[in-house]
Amino acid sequence: GQQLNQSPQSMFIQEGEDVSMNCTSSSIFNTWLWYKQEPGEGPVLLIALYKAGELTSNGRLTAQFGITRKDSFLNISASIPSDVGIYFCAGRFNFGNEKLTFGTGTRLTIIP
Amino acid sequence: DAGVTQSPTHLIKTRGQQVTLRCSPKSGHDTVSWYQQALGQGPQFIFQYYEEEERQRGNFPDRFSGHQFPNYSSELNVNALLLGDSALYLCASSSSGQGRNSPLHFGNGTRLTVT
Repeated sequence: GQQLNQSPQSMFIQEGEDVSMNCTSSSIFNTWLWYKQEPGEGPVLLIALYKAGELTSNGRLTAQFGITRKDSFLNISASIPSDVGIYFCAGRFNFGNEKLTFGTGTRLTIIP
Repeated sequence: DAGVTQSPTHLIKTRGQQVTLRCSPKSGHDTVSWYQQALGQGPQFIFQYYEEEERQRGNFPDRFSGHQFPNYSSELNVNALLLGDSALYLCASSSSGQGRNSPLHFGNGTRLTVT
């Protein structure tokens, strides 16, 4: 099945550093979502974006809905140990259509 | 307020067998979706149930079937298991009444291993 291209695939950073990751698609989406998944758990929604060009923050997290509707970006500022996990982008095509297409994931590791 | 609950948490089956996974949606949610997450991959949409009917289906064979009950809980059935069916199966629920702003709430999944 289709998966969105997410980069980087993995990141190794030190505590306190900022993190940037992005997600691209060959298709247009009308909703972009960012999830975080930790071992043994399901994905947890971090940020939802509903409008092209929209910039939304949730604490230290900031995400943007690309103007072309084919990409999205997630930034994490001043990383802390609990940020460790796998971050997934997801796109939804139709309003009210809840089928999500997920990215391949970015694994974030914080080096002590 | 209980979130999405799935059972069992882990399951080991033999190739060719059949399996049933269960999901109870978050309180107040009426729509249930199932996703398959292979190791190292993002979740892949299997199908969605609303009002006890399959409303949408992803690119999965007919061996994958489901059901939704009047209380909105759901089952995922997989027949004639293949080794490639080994994965984490995630259930997600949402509320049809919230329209486009209805976020998906995921359970912690059932880890299926086919040997």
